[in-house]
Amino acid sequence: DQQVKQNSPSLSVQEGRISILNCDYTNSMFDYFLWYKKYPAEGPTFLISISSIKDKNEDGRFTVFLNKSAKHLSLHIVPSQPGDSAVYFCAASGNNRKLIWGLGTSLAVNP
Amino acid sequence: DAGITQSPRHKVTETGTPVTLRCHQTENHRYMYWYRQDPGHGLRLIHYSYGVKDTDKGEVSDGYSVSRSKTEDFLLTLESATSSQTSVYFCAISGLADYNEQFFGPGTRLTVL
Repeated sequence: DQQVKQNSPSLSVQEGRISILNCDYTNSMFDYFLWYKKYPAEGPTFLISISSIKDKNEDGRFTVFLNKSAKHLSLHIVPSQPGDSAVYFCAASGNNRKLIWGLGTSLAVNP
Repeated sequence: DAGITQSPRHKVTETGTPVTLRCHQTENHRYMYWYRQDPGHGLRLIHYSYGVKDTDKGEVSDGYSVSRSKTEDFLLTLESATSSQTSVYFCAISGLADYNEQFFGPGTRLTVL
């Protein structure tokens, strides 16, 4: 049973526009959430994270929003660039340092 | 980038043979992890280590063993490789300060024929 769900396997956006990637979770014990980016033939790269005590965290073009009541988080990329084309993974953690991963969303940013 | 290397990067082996994958870090991080990535399953934790000689099982540990005799090295052994263990294997590390943030190696692509 998937505890972290990324329901959109793929997303395509135009360069310069906003990309919104979504993630839902089922376990209310999760208190830390992370987004990773992965290029082909490379390991995942940490992008941005958010603690459950916050509802927003921003780092440059990347913003993560957390809605605890809905058990939903989203990653916004503004403006999107062709180099952002990658697979994006959402991950969640409780207090045991183990990350539970979604299946990923493949983002294509078209010039 | 975190100093994490994995070896070998690619390996083809036959069913029934033992295989050992190596993860080496230069960050002196306490925690190390082995994952496998498969289509339709995302990343799944195989084993992890919270210190030298301290290891524990993840969600898909059957058929795998690990050892950590030094802080910098974490070995994953497939005792008798099966075709279902064909996968991409990633090592990750995390430290005390960045509690949940894990940093990944480049991966090892293993094919079991």
